[in-house]
Amino acid sequence: NAGVTQTPKFQVLKTGQSMTLQCAQDMNHEYMSWYRQDPGMGLRLIHYSVGAGITDQGEVPNGYNVSRSTTEDFPLRLLSAAPSQTSVYFCASSYLHRDQETQYFGPGTRLLVL
Amino acid sequence: GNSVTQMEGPVTLSEEAFLTINCTYTATGYPSLFWYVQYPGEGLQLLLKATKADDKGSNKGFEATYRKETTSFHLEKGSVQVSDSAVYFCALSDRGGSYIPTFGRGTSLIVHP
Repeated sequence: NAGVTQTPKFQVLKTGQSMTLQCAQDMNHEYMSWYRQDPGMGLRLIHYSVGAGITDQGEVPNGYNVSRSTTEDFPLRLLSAAPSQTSVYFCASSYLHRDQETQYFGPGTRLLVL
Repeated sequence: GNSVTQMEGPVTLSEEAFLTINCTYTATGYPSLFWYVQYPGEGLQLLLKATKADDKGSNKGFEATYRKETTSFHLEKGSVQVSDSAVYFCALSDRGGSYIPTFGRGTSLIVHP
């Protein structure tokens, strides 16, 4: 199993550009989520999904869109990039069962918005 | 709502020193508790977890005990190594809610030879 994969590893954008961060998992997990990590702020939840076709907002959803058309994939779209979106983005997946909530994280995407 | 509070870092220790990283939580239900570790340039990975009161999670010499009476889940290791240098995150998952974990802000550990 590859686990959780994310692409690209690093991206530079100009203000106003759009892009999609890709996330895929091959563990048949129901839950997938996107976090951003900023210095001193820990991990903040952007969006999450409890299954294909179902998404919901997290703590900091503004400026981001998600969709979940398949169990495996959960892309994160930046509609119009802003410097405040410079961050490291992590995708995670997990089972939806009691005592099985361990999150499996991808390696992250470093995004720089100029 | 749910929240996790960790001691601020960085925590700087010499090799073989004793480590404690404090973690306290607030939860509306009966949560599962976790410690995750993030090595430089990598994503988070599970270090240990506990799912009910008085459970002790352990892994790689690290331990943490679920203390419901003090709402705490402090991470300890008897003798740290340089390779333990990383950022440590305490987290909780509310099994009565969405299961999506709430993370603390992380504590950086630096171990010197």
